[in-house]
Amino acid sequence: QSVLTQPPSVSAAPGQKVTISCSGSSSKIGSYYVSWYQQLPGTAPKLLIYDNNKRPSGIPDRFSGSKSGTSATLGITGLQTGDEADYYCGTWDSSLSAGVFGGGTKLTVL
Amino acid sequence: EVQLVQSGAEVKKPGESLKISCKGSGYRFTSNWIAWVRQMPGKGLEWMGIIYPGDSDTRYSPSFQGQVTISADKSISTAYLQWTSLKASDTAMYFCARLGAAAGFVDNWFDPWGQGTLVTVSS
Repeated sequence: QSVLTQPPSVSAAPGQKVTISCSGSSSKIGSYYVSWYQQLPGTAPKLLIYDNNKRPSGIPDRFSGSKSGTSATLGITGLQTGDEADYYCGTWDSSLSAGVFGGGTKLTVL
Repeated sequence: EVQLVQSGAEVKKPGESLKISCKGSGYRFTSNWIAWVRQMPGKGLEWMGIIYPGDSDTRYSPSFQGQVTISADKSISTAYLQWTSLKASDTAMYFCARLGAAAGFVDNWFDPWGQGTLVTVSS
């Protein structure tokens, strides 16, 4: 069982918007920045969002991040079939003195 | 271009030892922490530990402490993940990743990632 909780799967139609949640506790998301990663099938993860809501260069503004209290959210607008992937949130856990990831969410673009 | 290139896939027997590598290029290797992340077949990402190549300061997740050893050779810009006695349950893809901010490891992120090294342990 992962330390951060994500829905196992979400789905939406092309062109629509989807949100993926990531919940934790005060010793994790509540106290630290959250990052988000996209893992396309058979590839290494790729950074999408860091410091809760910042996009690295090259990441389109269709991807956004937010955090409130002990939860974070990844938003994806204008869904494309190429967005089908697993998405992971990550942060620090002061109770473990280690980094942690969510269990991952599989996005299906119908 | 900042890049991490990992060593190739390995097939080992239970009880054997193994050391896989992750070579950094395109940046000052000693300035950023390097992390190792496990992904078991069909499962999610697991944070194993990190190393600061500048002084080899190493931190482990409690789940992996004592199970693996993380090291680095800054002279060749390479980090390592090592096992002394592999188990079938070590079968997984292992990724290295650079922590994006040069300062600290707490409020940080992973970018870029290596391509992954598949380790298969089977008798």
